[in-house]
Amino acid sequence: EPEVTQTPSHQVTQMGQEVILRCVPISNHLYFYWYRQILGQKVEFLVSFYNNEISEKSEIFDDQFSVERPDGSNFTLKIRSTKLEDSAMYFCASSATSGREEQFFGPGTRLTVL
Amino acid sequence: GENVEQHPSTLSVQEGDSAVIKCTYSDSASNYFPWYKQELGKRPQLIIDIRSNVGEKKDQRIAVTLNKTAKHFSLHITETQPEDSAVYFCAAIPKIGNKLVFGAGTILRVKS
Repeated sequence: EPEVTQTPSHQVTQMGQEVILRCVPISNHLYFYWYRQILGQKVEFLVSFYNNEISEKSEIFDDQFSVERPDGSNFTLKIRSTKLEDSAMYFCASSATSGREEQFFGPGTRLTVL
Repeated sequence: GENVEQHPSTLSVQEGDSAVIKCTYSDSASNYFPWYKQELGKRPQLIIDIRSNVGEKKDQRIAVTLNKTAKHFSLHITETQPEDSAVYFCAAIPKIGNKLVFGAGTILRVKS
C-alpha cells in the first residue's frame, strides 16, 4: 500500500539555523499538507498546498515558514530561522482530491531546536 | 474558525468492555469528521470517518455517530482489546478550506 514518506526522522538544530523537512506524498495525490504536534498536544494545521501554490495557511505559518514542491515528487517545509518553540513533530500529509476524504499522514520528522 | 473539543482526555477500560469518546464542533457548516488513531511515536492513522449527510457508520468493532443539530460526534469501540490502546483524535473539516481541525486527543488504555 502506498505511503507518505518523510526525511529525516529526527533533526536536531541550533536556534537561528535553517532547516528543511522533506516529504514524498503518495504519487497520485494532488493535495499536500503540513501539520505539527508539540509533545503531548494536539495536531495543528500549518499549511495546505494545491496546484503549486498555498491554498490555506494557519497563523502559525508566518514568514519564517515556506513550502515548495521542487519537483514532481518532493514537498518540502523550510523554517528559515528556528526558534526553541519550533521543536515539535512535523507531519506531512496528502490526499487524492479535496480534503473531504482521508488525508494520509507520513511518519513525521521530530525537530529539536537547541 | 472551527473549534473541536474532545472528552475525556484519558479513558481506562477493561478488555472486552466498550469505550466511547465524544467530540463537539463549533462550525455548523463542517461536513467531514474523521477519527485518527495514533500509537506512541507513530503517525496518525484514519480508523473511521463520517460525512454530514450520514448519522451513523460502522466498521466491525468501531462505529461513529453524528448529531448535526447538537454539533457532536462520538466514537464507539466495542469488545476492546489491548491493541486498541492508543491516542484517539477526532477532527473536523470546515466548509471553507480543507484543513483538519483536531481535538485534543483521548488516551485510551485497555487493561487485560
